[in-house]
Amino acid sequence: ILNVEQSPQSLHVQEGDSTNFTCSFPSSNFYALHWYRWETAKSPEALFVMTLNGDEKKKGRISATLNTKEGYSYLYIKGSQPEDSATYLCAFMRRGSTLGRLYFGRGTQLTVWP
Amino acid sequence: DVKVTQSSRYLVKRTGEKVFLECVQDMDHENMFWYRQDPGLGLRLIYFSYDVKMKEKGDIPEGYSVSREKKERFSLILESASTNQTSMYLCASSLLAGTDTQYFGPGTRLTVL
Repeated sequence: ILNVEQSPQSLHVQEGDSTNFTCSFPSSNFYALHWYRWETAKSPEALFVMTLNGDEKKKGRISATLNTKEGYSYLYIKGSQPEDSATYLCAFMRRGSTLGRLYFGRGTQLTVWP
Repeated sequence: DVKVTQSSRYLVKRTGEKVFLECVQDMDHENMFWYRQDPGLGLRLIYFSYDVKMKEKGDIPEGYSVSREKKERFSLILESASTNQTSMYLCASSLLAGTDTQYFGPGTRLTVL
């Protein structure tokens, strides 16, 4: 079983704060790194798929960076809003991995207070 | 839009019952997955399938089996439900090739009494 670690486990911030959290994954046999957002009572939804070292992706106020050599990715949220409250999951895809299989971290639960 | 549907949002069963959880996707995806999610443990892969009648074990297959008779439908079967199988079950699908994202269903919260 591959080890994908996310930290912190949970985070509480005030509206307007910027925040970031970390995903660590094996640096060998890297193929892709996925980020998902999972809001309460909804399905997880894909945010980003990152494949190249140094990749940066952005969607609105959310952005992510990737370092495949050292095996980590950061997710940033600028000016957090209450609607950003969700669990953020990262998932590692291994080179040679069968058939699109993803190895998920345990997630970071973000709560944004108004 | 990709749509992945699951047969029930909430299900209550008794210990020893045979339980079927159904998942249907409408985007002609080759891959389909079953996960369970428990507090503090994240998403854990039970089984996945890359083609009709093909299946692969995930990390926690014990106590479960699966069936894929048609490309769009992937069923998770609990042969004899136990209380430790009380959990949220999520189905997902994706294309076979490349780094395609997985599209998730709404989940089934199963309680085994």
